[in-house]
Amino acid sequence: GIQVEQSPPDLILQEGANSTLRCNFSDSVNNLQWFHQNPWGQLINLFYIPSGTKQNGRLSATTVATERYSLLYISSSQTTDSGVYFCAVELYSSASKIIFGSGTRLSIRP
Amino acid sequence: EAQVTQNPRYLITVTGKKLTVTCSQNMNHEYMSWYRQDPGLGLRQIYYSMNVEVTDKGDVPEGYKVSRKEKRNFPLILESPSPNQTSLYFCASRTGVNTEAFFGQGTRLTVV
Repeated sequence: GIQVEQSPPDLILQEGANSTLRCNFSDSVNNLQWFHQNPWGQLINLFYIPSGTKQNGRLSATTVATERYSLLYISSSQTTDSGVYFCAVELYSSASKIIFGSGTRLSIRP
Repeated sequence: EAQVTQNPRYLITVTGKKLTVTCSQNMNHEYMSWYRQDPGLGLRQIYYSMNVEVTDKGDVPEGYKVSRKEKRNFPLILESPSPNQTSLYFCASRTGVNTEAFFGQGTRLTVV
């Protein structure tokens, strides 16, 4: 089956730092989403980004579908950015489900 | 406000006592699904539904049932819960293939 790998698995940063999270996938996908799971367990939609680049405030994302990767950029980190970031993909071959990566756990120190 | 609503948010129950976790969406989405999240195993699909009265198994369906009698609702039923079903559960909905998915707030279930 498809492999969805995220790196790094853990990241600890000081408030104000910038970071880049990566998502690699081993098969062709219909679409890709980035989520933030906050400390209360809620999954928050960040980006729906099958291809191209999008920006939302301090966050931006780029997906290069032909090269099978996506990047999530977080600039000027705040403590509220802490949590786990997931990428999730939908396969061309099996559009009935969304497959999640294992996540990147981000901790922002004040 | 467009949303997916799960209830309850937290539940502690005993082995064998039937329970239902409700999921409702107000976006007129065709696709709905249930996931469970476990440490080290990530999020795994339990069941999904592509439309009213159309449901199918995901990766980990054992011990669960679902129904889709109305487009907006997709309840998850545990007929005889066991401790290995202790988990964080998410309901999701989306318009269809190749569309953005929206998740509920999650239901933290503990079976003792």
